[in-house]
Amino acid sequence: DSGVTQTPKHLITATGQRVTLRCSPRSGDLSVYWYQQSLDQGLQFLIQYYNGEERAKGNILERFSAQQFPDLHSELNLSSLELGDSALYFCASSVEPRLLREQYFGPGTRLTVT
Amino acid sequence: AQTVTQSQPEMSVQEAETVTLSCTYDTSESDYYLFWYKQPPSRQMILVIRQEAYKQQNATENRFSVNFQKAAKSFSLKISDSQLGDAAMYFCAYRSAALMDSNYQLIWGAGTKLIIKP
Repeated sequence: DSGVTQTPKHLITATGQRVTLRCSPRSGDLSVYWYQQSLDQGLQFLIQYYNGEERAKGNILERFSAQQFPDLHSELNLSSLELGDSALYFCASSVEPRLLREQYFGPGTRLTVT
Repeated sequence: AQTVTQSQPEMSVQEAETVTLSCTYDTSESDYYLFWYKQPPSRQMILVIRQEAYKQQNATENRFSVNFQKAAKSFSLKISDSQLGDAAMYFCAYRSAALMDSNYQLIWGAGTKLIIKP
């Protein structure tokens, strides 16, 4: 158990819908990262937050947005869903990105868009 | 931009034998970190081992060790005494050490599926 929690574990929804994925980082970790893993592929970085502020953006679609709240949990919002958005979405956390500290991964949320 | 390449989509090894997974990367930076992550069927992403580029000594964690060749930009993972529980996808990842917020993301290879034959 990495200490990073993600809810829900599974999500099935229809095209055009909107969903919210939630992540709680490890206690003491200020930085949260979101990654997308499509079937049998490597992970793609989406976005990073540090202590409530956006720090870096990767290949995140305009239909996707995220935020980190004062209690440090983070939400990833996916809207106007398409079949191609079906993937495993990981959240990871670390103490302070400038230090070499491993990113600890949550169990992921499997999103299926039908 | 940095890239990570894993040229072996799938590898198989007999239980108790040794297997080496390959990873190459491309970067113009001199300081960075390299990681191997394991993703078993549960899909949990688990850190196996990490290597700091400024360290010449290869990292070792129990049965797992790396062969880090900085000049060749190669970072292979050796698993000794393979066990059934080692069966998983293995991902190689790169992270810059430069102090810029945009550099803290992990850049991933496509993964290698490791099959352990009993």
